[in-house]
Amino acid sequence: DTEVTQTPKHLVMGMTNKKSLKCEQHMGHRAMYWYKQKAKKPPELMFVYSYEKLSINESVPSRFSPECPNSSLLNLHLHALQPEDSALYLCASSRDREGPQHFGDGTRLSIL
Amino acid sequence: SQELEQSPQSLIVQEGKNLTINCTSSKTLYGLYWYKQKYGEGLIFLMMLQKGGEEKSHEKITAKLDEKKQQSSLHITASQPSHAGIYLCGADFRNYGQNFVFGPGTRLSVLP
Repeated sequence: DTEVTQTPKHLVMGMTNKKSLKCEQHMGHRAMYWYKQKAKKPPELMFVYSYEKLSINESVPSRFSPECPNSSLLNLHLHALQPEDSALYLCASSRDREGPQHFGDGTRLSIL
Repeated sequence: SQELEQSPQSLIVQEGKNLTINCTSSKTLYGLYWYKQKYGEGLIFLMMLQKGGEEKSHEKITAKLDEKKQQSSLHITASQPSHAGIYLCGADFRNYGQNFVFGPGTRLSVLP
């Protein structure tokens, strides 16, 4: 069982929909991450929050909008996605920007 | 170009055999992480190495970081079907103006 919880596990949405992915951790970690993983590829970093502030945005299109309401929660708001955005979206957290990241099981997103 | 390279790309071994996976960087590593991923799931943290020459073990898995801190190996002794999965090395390249990056992964199959 993972200590980082992601919901939903699966999401199918149309290109005009608006949806959100959620991530929660109760380990007291102050850094949280969003990754995108395509099939047979390693995860690619999208965003990093450190102490609830966005510290890294890896040139991600604006149709992905992250939000960190508090130190335990991380959201990824999705709007007007493209079929190529279909992927496994992974959330991770770490004690701070140093140290190992602990991953959730991901949300498998399919864009129709 | 890949900041981290892994070899082999894939590996099929008979249960009980030993195996080694390598991870190589063209830059000095300030922290090298090993993760395991089962298909479609999140990443499981295995080990973190920071010092040149460091070696860590957990159950039947041993990881080493070379003295130059540019290459790491992951060794599994007496492999079991439960060891099957994708092994990824990851490193933080913030000292080089980049961010956390994963290697391409090594897909391990263990035949019973």
